Amino acid sequence: SQKIEQNSEALNIQEGKTATLTCNYTNYSPAYLQWYRQDPGRGPVFLLLIRENEKEKRKERLKVTFDTTLKQSLFHITASQPADSATYLCVGNTNAGKSTFGDGTTLTVKP
Amino acid sequence: EAQVTQNPRYLITVTGKKLTVTCSQNMNHEYMSWYRQDPGLGLRQIYYSMNVEVTDKGDVPEGYKVSRKEKRNFPLILESPSPNQTSLYFCASSGVYQETQYFGPGTRLLVL
Repeated sequence: SQKIEQNSEALNIQEGKTATLTCNYTNYSPAYLQWYRQDPGRGPVFLLLIRENEKEKRKERLKVTFDTTLKQSLFHITASQPADSATYLCVGNTNAGKSTFGDGTTLTVKP
Repeated sequence: EAQVTQNPRYLITVTGKKLTVTCSQNMNHEYMSWYRQDPGLGLRQIYYSMNVEVTDKGDVPEGYKVSRKEKRNFPLILESPSPNQTSLYFCASSGVYQETQYFGPGTRLLVL
């Protein structure tokens, strides 16, 4: 069955550094990948979307890449701040409407 | 304000007592979906709907029913809840290309 794996359950970094989160997909080829942020007890909030024919997307301090050869997406937060501390979810989507979420990576940015 | 609403937000029930969790969106979105979130298992898709009267199974549909009679509403029905359906449930909606999903605030369900 189609699977999304986020390699790290937790990531701790120092304020000002770049956080890099990894997402790998197996047993299918998602038409696009999305990244969401989720704070405790809240619903996920959309951050970025990248399609299979795109290599890289940016939005302010966020950058996402999509490597169809490695079957991987990388999500970067540059100049990280304590306010970026949250759980980040990778989602693989098919054009038929199916969404598969990874388990998430909990990022902690220390001052 | 554009939003997805879910009711109730918290529910404690007993095994076998039918319940419905409502979901409504005011953004005229075609696509709606239900997820459950459990510790260590992430969000798993239960059912989704590409449009009115069109629904499809996600990864974990057993024990759930849905209907999409109107564009704005997508209720989740548990005909005979069991303790393994204790979870945090999220409803989401998005536009015609199923891109950005807007999530509701979640419904925390406990089945005794």
